[in-house]
Amino acid sequence: DTEVTQTPKHLVMGMTNKKSLKCEQHMGHRAMYWYKQKAKKPPELMFVYSYEKLSINESVPSRFSPECPNSSLLNLHLHALQPEDSALYLCASSLFYTDTQYFGPGTRLTVL
Amino acid sequence: KNEVEQSPQNLTAQEGEFITINCSYSVGISALHWLQQHPGGGIVSLFMLSSGKKKHGRLIATINIQEKHSSLHITASHPRDSAVYICAVKILDSNYQLIWGAGTKLIIKP
Repeated sequence: DTEVTQTPKHLVMGMTNKKSLKCEQHMGHRAMYWYKQKAKKPPELMFVYSYEKLSINESVPSRFSPECPNSSLLNLHLHALQPEDSALYLCASSLFYTDTQYFGPGTRLTVL
Repeated sequence: KNEVEQSPQNLTAQEGEFITINCSYSVGISALHWLQQHPGGGIVSLFMLSSGKKKHGRLIATINIQEKHSSLHITASHPRDSAVYICAVKILDSNYQLIWGAGTKLIIKP
């Protein structure tokens, strides 16, 4: 299994909603990443987890809250988002920090 | 000046043509990635290079560390190769940080 899966594929939410994005991999990778990608721009790194511990938080607003319940699963909890947070959210994983990152298909988020 | 520059920004070619996409960078790197992104979709890692050349099917990637330059070639191009191709480099002193190029939008016409 060489796949990173993400659910849902699409999400529309209001500014007062609470929702979660889910990412899963069964490749035994110990590093997992959240990226945000706006249209026609390269992905921007948000968070890095290594061995289920948050290693990197790239100054992301607190309305985004990551969680890594186990080595295969990575969640991104969303609360009180703004319309400018609408973007494609990509999850990736790698065996370790230094290895090739495998990306999921992304969740396209629209905040109304 | 961006640390990772790709050229061309856009490329339209006929099916069967040989395609070359270039990537130049100005920082010290430990590795260079080539990735593919289809419209509205996720990203697929094509290659990770630290030296020399790699081949996978019709795709070939080369890197010249001294010249800080890499190329991605597609032989016998096909409409399904239409996508955005992105070069990203891993900075030498960082384990995780990738610096991304702006991408090359490739359209292959039948």
